[in-house]
Amino acid sequence: GENVEQHPSTLSVQEGDSAVIKCTYSDSASNYFPWYKQELGKGPQLIIDIRSNVGEKKDQRIAVTLNKTAKHFSLHITETQPEDSAVYFCAAVNDYKLSFGAGTTVTVRA
Amino acid sequence: DGGITQSPKYLFRKEGQNVTLSCEQNLNHDAMYWYRQDPGQGLRLIYYSQIVNDFQKGDIAEGYSVSREKKESFPLTVTSAQKNPTAFYLCASSKTGGRTEAFFGQGTRLTVV
Repeated sequence: GENVEQHPSTLSVQEGDSAVIKCTYSDSASNYFPWYKQELGKGPQLIIDIRSNVGEKKDQRIAVTLNKTAKHFSLHITETQPEDSAVYFCAAVNDYKLSFGAGTTVTVRA
Repeated sequence: DGGITQSPKYLFRKEGQNVTLSCEQNLNHDAMYWYRQDPGQGLRLIYYSQIVNDFQKGDIAEGYSVSREKKESFPLTVTSAQKNPTAFYLCASSKTGGRTEAFFGQGTRLTVV
């Protein structure tokens, strides 16, 4: 089955700096890669996603890159703000099965 | 308002008892999922269903059971066979089963006392 690894597990950044989270996946058949943000006590919410036929996607301060050959994808958050503090999860989808990484706790220091 | 609703938000269970967690969606989604979340371990897939009256085991199905009698509903039963049931349980749904956005409920925190 699919195995998604996510690094780092925790990330502390100064407000205004960039944050980068990296994920690798094992199943070359995976074709959809969403990123979720989870705030304390709530369910995860999609923040950006990328499909296997695209190498990069950007939405305001958030961008995601995908390298299918190396089987890794990354989330980039620029100009971080205090409201970016949360747990972020990457995921890989193969057919109907959605597999998640272990999560990254991001703390933005004011 | 369309969405996915989990109930209850908090649930306490005595050891040896079965308990059922509710998940309802009015998004007309075909696929539904149950995940378990433990600190530092991310989301682990318990069961998923692509269509009514059909479901598949995920990575940690032992001690759990589900049913999918209606498109809108995907209840999860935590049985007494589950050795460590205390966790945060999340239900999700998606339109075409994986290749589109999955929407999550707000979760149910189950505590065994």
